[in-house]
Amino acid sequence: QKEVEQNSGPLSVPEGAIASLNCTYSDRGSQSFFWYRQYSGKSPELIMSIYSNGDKEDGRFTAQLNKASQYVSLLIRDSQPSDSATYLCAVYNNNDMRFGAGTRLTVKP
Amino acid sequence: EPEVTQTPSHQVTQMGQEVILRCVPISNHLYFYWYRQILGQKVEFLVSFYNNEISEKSEIFDDQFSVERPDGSNFTLKIRSTKLEDSAMYFCASSERYNTEAFFGQGTRLTVV
Repeated sequence: QKEVEQNSGPLSVPEGAIASLNCTYSDRGSQSFFWYRQYSGKSPELIMSIYSNGDKEDGRFTAQLNKASQYVSLLIRDSQPSDSATYLCAVYNNNDMRFGAGTRLTVKP
Repeated sequence: EPEVTQTPSHQVTQMGQEVILRCVPISNHLYFYWYRQILGQKVEFLVSFYNNEISEKSEIFDDQFSVERPDGSNFTLKIRSTKLEDSAMYFCASSERYNTEAFFGQGTRLTVV
């Protein structure tokens, strides 16, 4: 069974703070890892992809991957109210990409 | 910017009827996917498709479902004999290469009454 686990939240942070989102996965053969953002009633929107262990930074976002621990995380620096959404962790292996249930983030002005 | 396009945006059907959901993936993409999301629940993988055949399918994708690429641009999901529990948002996605990021269409909301 290919499980992707996320803390469902809600996670609430003040504007300007760092939001930290976590994800674990069960399939050790997983090869690619993604973070998507989903606003209510909308489709998932890609934020970050990460393929190898370590950190990857893109603007205010940093993704971290630890394959030995089967753990992926997303840090959002200088959080803005517009970052309020559900963040989905996705794990990919052999044309099969599975999503976690998502963490709902609220950024309070 | 290229995008995945899905039609219709909303479909209402009677229980037991067949529906076809349509998608136009991004033009140079080779891998195609269908996902569904029941209201308030997680995004669930249904099927992936490459080189005119199914690559992977989930436990959800049973004989009630089928996919097809009838021409060079469209990718369809057929649901036979719909049930009330098939009511959900259905998302199509595509990716350019193997195991790379997938881009999603805006979704088709299917309501079975």
